[in-house]
Amino acid sequence: AQRVTQPEKLLSVFKGAPVELKCNYSYSGSPELFWYVQYSRQRLQLLLRHISRESIKGFTADLNKGETSFHLKKPFAQEEDSAMYYCALMGSQGNLIFGKGTKLSVKP
Amino acid sequence: SQTIHQWPATLVQPVGSPLSLECTVEGTSNPNLYWYRQAAGRGLQLLFYSVGIGQISSEVPQNLSASRPQDRQFILSSKKLLLSDSGFYLCAWNSGQGRYGYTFGSGTRLTVV
Repeated sequence: AQRVTQPEKLLSVFKGAPVELKCNYSYSGSPELFWYVQYSRQRLQLLLRHISRESIKGFTADLNKGETSFHLKKPFAQEEDSAMYYCALMGSQGNLIFGKGTKLSVKP
Repeated sequence: SQTIHQWPATLVQPVGSPLSLECTVEGTSNPNLYWYRQAAGRGLQLLFYSVGIGQISSEVPQNLSASRPQDRQFILSSKKLLLSDSGFYLCAWNSGQGRYGYTFGSGTRLTVV
């Protein structure tokens, strides 16, 4: 089965603290994984793709095939990082399969 | 540049009434188009996708249908809305190159009363 699991519905941290949003996937083959973010009153937008190995807004995510994980990390959280974060997997049919999302709340 | 438009932004409809949500893409041709529903605690659920005019694939059985009358137009419809149809509906597109992910519209908040 092709599946994305985000075990935390809500993650609350203080400003300046490290953040790790967990994502695990189930997929046979080489996965293509993404992180999407939805800020309050804004549209869902792509944050980063594993294939690009990029860092966006200080966030990084490393694909760990052994652990079938694609956790999103940031060393120092900012208040403006507060948002809903979705991990997504490109399924074999070419459709994005999303996790249930994690709401990140960064407190001042 | 490519843009995606969705309307209306919000909609309140009585149970049993029809529904029509529209999504259009500009600046590209032959996009893959998708309708998702976003529900609190349930993430994003793929409802329909289309790889071309008149080609619709349904992912889940439901009270909704989709149509693609033109290359860059994708419509989500219902003949009779149910309370359970309430939710946030998102349209998305991509060029068929999966590795670039999707671009989403701004969404429609549907409340069935």
